Amino acid sequence: SAVISQKPSRDICQRGTSLTIQCQVDSQVTMMFWYRQQPGQSLTLIATANQGSEATYESGFVIDKFPISRPNLTFSTLTVSNMSPEDSSIYLCSVGTRTGVGTEAFFGQGTRLTVV
Amino acid sequence: GQQLNQSPQSMFIQEGEDVSMNCTSSSIFNTWLWYKQEPGEGPVLLIALYKAGELTSNGRLTAQFGITRKDSFLNISASIPSDVGIYFCAGRIYNQGGKLIFGQGTELSVKP
Repeated sequence: SAVISQKPSRDICQRGTSLTIQCQVDSQVTMMFWYRQQPGQSLTLIATANQGSEATYESGFVIDKFPISRPNLTFSTLTVSNMSPEDSSIYLCSVGTRTGVGTEAFFGQGTRLTVV
Repeated sequence: GQQLNQSPQSMFIQEGEDVSMNCTSSSIFNTWLWYKQEPGEGPVLLIALYKAGELTSNGRLTAQFGITRKDSFLNISASIPSDVGIYFCAGRIYNQGGKLIFGQGTELSVKP
């Protein structure tokens, strides 16, 4: 399994500001993803972070609001831009690692964001 | 979009009891994954399933990939207080890359 470190683990931010979340993996991985988990809810995929090219966003998520970088195979960032209280959620980085029979997915500990 | 229906939403059981939860979908999946999430943590992978009909165990946990490839269940035998948490199923739809779709979660409470 991969070890995934996210920073910060939590933050309280003022509305209108932006926060950049970092995800560092201890090994090179092909697939990296960013998820959002709203309070008391399940996980929703925001985007696939593609190394060397623009991220692929899911319906309902746009690059202007959630810009993503992935400069190499071990690191990615997600920025939550122009925040509002509705952006208060847990943001999770995930990586896919291939095994002999399929692809497993592992998660970081998440970044708990509160927007006031 | 695609949806995963996970049930039950919550369970409140006595220590020692067995637990069963399941997920169904209208889409065909090529992977089913089961996770446990505790407060303040990210989901932790419990079991991964890759073939229709596959039955896999991890200690007291057993999960199966449904024959139709549209469902999966997770059983926990002889529950203990540390089993408390939220359990999520997640599926990977055939031909849609590595992204996962998650069920709504089953919140498990265990009374000592």
